[in-house]
Amino acid sequence: DAGVIQSPRHEVTEMGQEVTLRCKPISGHDYLFWYRQTMMRGLELLIYFNNNVPIDDSGMPEDRFSAKMPNASFSTLKIQPSEPRDSAVYFCASSPAGRFNSPLHFGNGTRLTVT
Amino acid sequence: QQQVKQSPQSLIVQKGGISIINCAYENTAFDYFPWYQQFPGKGPALLIAIRPDVSEKKEGRFTISFNKSAKQFSLHIMDSQPGDSATYFCAAISLGGSARQLTFGSGTQLTVLP
Repeated sequence: DAGVIQSPRHEVTEMGQEVTLRCKPISGHDYLFWYRQTMMRGLELLIYFNNNVPIDDSGMPEDRFSAKMPNASFSTLKIQPSEPRDSAVYFCASSPAGRFNSPLHFGNGTRLTVT
Repeated sequence: QQQVKQSPQSLIVQKGGISIINCAYENTAFDYFPWYQQFPGKGPALLIAIRPDVSEKKEGRFTISFNKSAKQFSLHIMDSQPGDSATYFCAAISLGGSARQLTFGSGTQLTVLP
């Protein structure tokens, strides 16, 4: 089990550019979550999917953020246009279906820096 | 109110000491309380969890104490080791609710001095 795989690990971009973060969840996991982590706000849930369908996107900060899950093994989080305040570590996590107390399995994150 | 309040923000403990991190919640519908541990450059990982039908759960050097009437729970790390240095997050969720997402505390950065 390779765990949740995120790419890239680091992304540095200029303000106004489009940024795409990628995630491969653990095979067989039906839930996928995107989180953002900053010193000021801690871990914030942006959006989560169940069986590739977005369930709750109320945490997405602005229309500049969008997320897709075209199939069970891949998801993207896109920021267009990016702004310096988007600088953070973005985590993808997955969990199996059924039991609500199934643990979240996090990837190692993408550190985004927008200059 | 979905908030989970966590304290302290940072904690420094000598090797062999006891580390204590506290959390408080407001939503009485919460009925599952996990703790996650995060090392630098890594994502959080589940450490230990508790249901409110028990007042304490112990796994090795890690113990969760739960006070349902006060709506508080805490993580105790006995015989703290430098390898325990990490950020710890408490969290909560209602197992009977429709929401699937955890509510996380703000995190505690623990440093264990050698």
